[in-house]
Amino acid sequence: DAGVTQSPTHLIKTRGQHVTLRCSPISGHKSVSWYQQVLGQGPQFIFQYYEKEERGRGNFPDRFSARQFPNYSSELNVNALLLGDSALYLCASSSGLAGAETQYFGPGTRLLVL
Amino acid sequence: DQQVKQNSPSLSVQEGRISILNCDYTNSMFDYFLWYKKYPAEGPTFLISISSIKDKNEDGRFTVFLNKSAKHLSLHIVPSQPGDSAVYFCAASDTGGGNKLTFGTGTQLKVEL
Repeated sequence: DAGVTQSPTHLIKTRGQHVTLRCSPISGHKSVSWYQQVLGQGPQFIFQYYEKEERGRGNFPDRFSARQFPNYSSELNVNALLLGDSALYLCASSSGLAGAETQYFGPGTRLLVL
Repeated sequence: DQQVKQNSPSLSVQEGRISILNCDYTNSMFDYFLWYKKYPAEGPTFLISISSIKDKNEDGRFTVFLNKSAKHLSLHIVPSQPGDSAVYFCAASDTGGGNKLTFGTGTQLKVEL
């Protein structure tokens, strides 16, 4: 079975631009979460979606938004990019929202903002 | 405010010996804990988890111990193998609020021949 897939793998943007990152969850998984990992830190929670509804949001500015589609894939959008948005963006999927449900991560999208 | 802390940024162990990775947390609402392993250019891979109703969980060479009163958990790898060299992240969740994860900063494990 395919794991979590993300596209693109790498991306270079300039300050002020907009970026869209994409994620396809493991087949049968209905929940998708997004995390940002800055160099030297652990992943930080950005959003969680379940059945196309936002179910959680981390401490990120409104420049960050996301959505989930009927096929449970998801997009993360970041507007007005800042240099500090340079990071590895990870998508994770789980079958549901139950607390003990393990999240499985994709390989990430590495974003560089110049 | 770092709610999950991994105070050792790196650890070096000889092949065949035990690796012990430590993690501390401050949020008493956390009741489910996980360890992930991460190789460069890959996403984190789930290793093992433990619920707060247990104090130990074992899976092959990997054992996680939880000390609730000390808000401390550890991952033991026995015996350590060169392929275990990676960054290990401790993560925690408050299951009453879903399965959103709070991660530590990671420990780079190097297993030497």
